[in-house]
Amino acid sequence: AQKITQTQPGMFVQEKEAVTLDCTYDTSDPSYGLFWYKQPSSGEMIFLIYQGSYDQQNATEGRYSLNFQKARKSANLVISASQLGDSAMYFCAMREESSYKLIFGSGTRLLVRP
Amino acid sequence: DVKVTQSSRYLVKRTGEKVFLECVQDMDHENMFWYRQDPGLGLRLIYFSYDVKMKEKGDIPEGYSVSREKKERFSLILESASTNQTSMYLCATEAEAWSSYNSPLHFGNGTRLTVT
Repeated sequence: AQKITQTQPGMFVQEKEAVTLDCTYDTSDPSYGLFWYKQPSSGEMIFLIYQGSYDQQNATEGRYSLNFQKARKSANLVISASQLGDSAMYFCAMREESSYKLIFGSGTRLLVRP
Repeated sequence: DVKVTQSSRYLVKRTGEKVFLECVQDMDHENMFWYRQDPGLGLRLIYFSYDVKMKEKGDIPEGYSVSREKKERFSLILESASTNQTSMYLCATEAEAWSSYNSPLHFGNGTRLTVT
């Protein structure tokens, strides 16, 4: 069963605007972590932000924030003030405490327009 | 900074060849992973190693094997390459000795393998 779902294969955003990338997940483990990675065209996977299942506050890292809605099992990434360099593939991933596996969604390709 | 180096950026091999993909890390990390990335499927785990000579199968191990003779090096082996193994392969490491759900993975730049 699909554990991480990213329903937006591709998105456009205007430079300097904010954008939200959707991610929903499925788990019965009460302890888990949610991650977002960025993959530019160069291919490297860059870790952006982490949210733990017990964290009360939404995670933030600079222009990145994670909109964590536990009851809805969603962990959307919000990028504020988009820059041209934000154009990339973005992957949502989850790791359960009971597993060593980091499971990825299918990704969203973001294109920032000047 | 963690450095995870994959020996080849691009590789072209023929069907039936034995292929070695090498990954080296410089941070003395216990855990190492091999993932495969395909469009529309995201990243899928092939194999995981938690120590020298120790390995666990991931979600798609068929057609692959791995070798970890030294802590810093984790090799992915395609015993007899097939066209459906054409893909991007990513190696990753993790600092924690015991996998923790709050521990991010550090990735190499990937090897794009084409099997003709």
